[in-house]
Amino acid sequence: SQQGEEDPQALSIQEGENATMNCSYKTSINNLQWYRQNSGRGLVHLILIRSNEREKHSGRLRVTLDTSKKSSSLLITASRAADTASYFCATDAGRYALNFGKGTSLLVTP
Amino acid sequence: EAQVTQNPRYLITVTGKKLTVTCSQNMNHEYMSWYRQDPGLGLRQIYYSMNVEVTDKGDVPEGYKVSRKEKRNFPLILESPSPNQTSLYFCASSPSLLWSEGRRQYFGPGTRLTVL
Repeated sequence: SQQGEEDPQALSIQEGENATMNCSYKTSINNLQWYRQNSGRGLVHLILIRSNEREKHSGRLRVTLDTSKKSSSLLITASRAADTASYFCATDAGRYALNFGKGTSLLVTP
Repeated sequence: EAQVTQNPRYLITVTGKKLTVTCSQNMNHEYMSWYRQDPGLGLRQIYYSMNVEVTDKGDVPEGYKVSRKEKRNFPLILESPSPNQTSLYFCASSPSLLWSEGRRQYFGPGTRLTVL
């Protein structure tokens, strides 16, 4: 069952700008993960944030988690054309499964 | 190189003709899973396996079978494919079953299946 829901569905920005995408979920989670998918390819893990963490950084990525609002955001700073991809949040609620959202499609134009 | 491989990458078949999509990982991961990805629906889990000979249904198991006879392999079997199984399929593996360790997943490159 899908739990994460990304917003917006699609985002178009220019190189150098920041991209922010959001994820909302419904039930309590152990951790939340963000993945990237280049067109038609396998998903690649970007970053994981645990339920007791509020913010995490990895390179140009910044993830926040607000468990009271059941939401997370992914910020990509100084976007590049190579960041063009779909981004998915995945929630780990303790079952032996990750629940993926439908994704945000990011287009970064030169 | 640590990876998850899937074969074939592309397959066009006809209704009712049994097929198998193979998945193999070389990372000694215990957990493996199959997903399908459809436009507007995102990724949905078909089956997963926690170890050899241990499998369980995901959210959309109808029409699929799996087996886990060896730790590295987790084939997906469509005994009688139908057009509604046309989709992009991903195999994934994870090193840990413990949620406390994160359970990040490593994905294969995908298999695009068309059933006519």
